[in-house]
Amino acid sequence: LAKTTQPISMDSYEGQEVNITCSHNNIATNDYITWYQQFPSQGPRFIIQGYKTKVTNEVASLFIPADRKSSTLSLPRVSLSDTAVYYCLVPEGQAGTALIFGKGTTLSVSS
Amino acid sequence: AAGVIQSPRHLIKEKRETATLKCYPISRHDTVYWYQQGPGQDPQFLISFYEKMQSDKGSIPDRFSAQQFSDYHSELNMSSLELGDSALYFCASSFLAGGDTGELFFGEGSRLTVL
Repeated sequence: LAKTTQPISMDSYEGQEVNITCSHNNIATNDYITWYQQFPSQGPRFIIQGYKTKVTNEVASLFIPADRKSSTLSLPRVSLSDTAVYYCLVPEGQAGTALIFGKGTTLSVSS
Repeated sequence: AAGVIQSPRHLIKEKRETATLKCYPISRHDTVYWYQQGPGQDPQFLISFYEKMQSDKGSIPDRFSAQQFSDYHSELNMSSLELGDSALYFCASSFLAGGDTGELFFGEGSRLTVL
């Protein structure tokens, strides 16, 4: 079972900011949090990764509070092409290379 | 730069047959991951290899086996195929020794159909 919990679905309109929150209550001290985007019949695509506080890249921001038990992916000004499933992952397994996909968040963007 | 290459892209097999999927990671990547994604399902972690050694094992059936070779490519062998094995199989790679914990690069997948 994945160590993460996310909302099953979210709806938005073009141009809005979307925030997707993920819970990872049992995250280990050294674990990074990684977010992926997946379109139908395509492999997941890396969006952003962070350890604490805030990380920003050209497509998203990731907010991680001090206790690191949750994280929020922020997508600014979404467009129709952002309609996809979004997953947050933390490493699992003895070697930390088991990246388990839980139930992702299906984001639907409308015009 | 070339991404993760998977072959074949499509494969049709009969029940009880065997199938082999191949994965060629990005150059210099040292870790390979295999995932299975059934229709409407989330990707299921099967197994991972770091520097040619199995590192973590997920929900991989006993009928399946995998290995990573000296050139870092990996193969997933599936025997006694069942209808439920029909799925998209993704391979991903990362550069773990370079600190890329969690940043996986996925291939386009191999679609297996079992009839």
